Amino acid sequence: EADIYQTPRYLVIGTGKKITLECSQTMGHDKMYWYQQDPGMELHLIHYSYGVNSTEKGDLSSESTVSRIRTEHFPLTLESARPSHTSQYLCASSESLGKIYEQYFGPGTRLTVT
Amino acid sequence: QQQVKQSPQSLIVQKGGISIINCAYENTAFDYFPWYQQFPGKGPALLIAIRPDVSEKKEGRFTISFNKSAKQFSLHIMDSQPGDSATYFCAAGFGNQFYFGTGTSLTVIP
Repeated sequence: EADIYQTPRYLVIGTGKKITLECSQTMGHDKMYWYQQDPGMELHLIHYSYGVNSTEKGDLSSESTVSRIRTEHFPLTLESARPSHTSQYLCASSESLGKIYEQYFGPGTRLTVT
Repeated sequence: QQQVKQSPQSLIVQKGGISIINCAYENTAFDYFPWYQQFPGKGPALLIAIRPDVSEKKEGRFTISFNKSAKQFSLHIMDSQPGDSATYFCAAGFGNQFYFGTGTSLTVIP
């Protein structure tokens, strides 16, 4: 089982609140990702990082921001939550060696904004 | 535009039967095609993956068939078991860019 953790697992919060979703991995992976997952839809990449101090936006436009100050930690922040942010957020990581692309996923955070 | 198209959306199979899930892609630059299995309340976990230089890969009861000319690949689950009931996602990509299908909810009836 992959050593990638997400907290909280479930979060219900009111509109306008600032929230941070935590993601940590103990595998020493350089690459980390945030995906958004809605029922019946494909996983959408919203942010990724190739290493410390490296962050990029993914294909899906998102009002969230990320930071990568430490290799093992990749938090996602929403400055002002809205009902449209209600979704499942998945964090993943992968190695940088050669063409090894396997991504390891965390259990996800189910966010509900009321 | 959806990069990877997956079908069916849901699938019900009797125990012992064969489950088949299909995916199609457009971008010929893709060089890695994984399948992920996701149980409720869990994140997706890599099940099996294939590269375009082979036409088939088998791991236990799970087989990927890959048709490069048709730009299609499929997952076959032999002797399906109730414990296989989960959502299955195909994906395609290269480097750090991956595109996922919309998922197939598989139910295996005892």
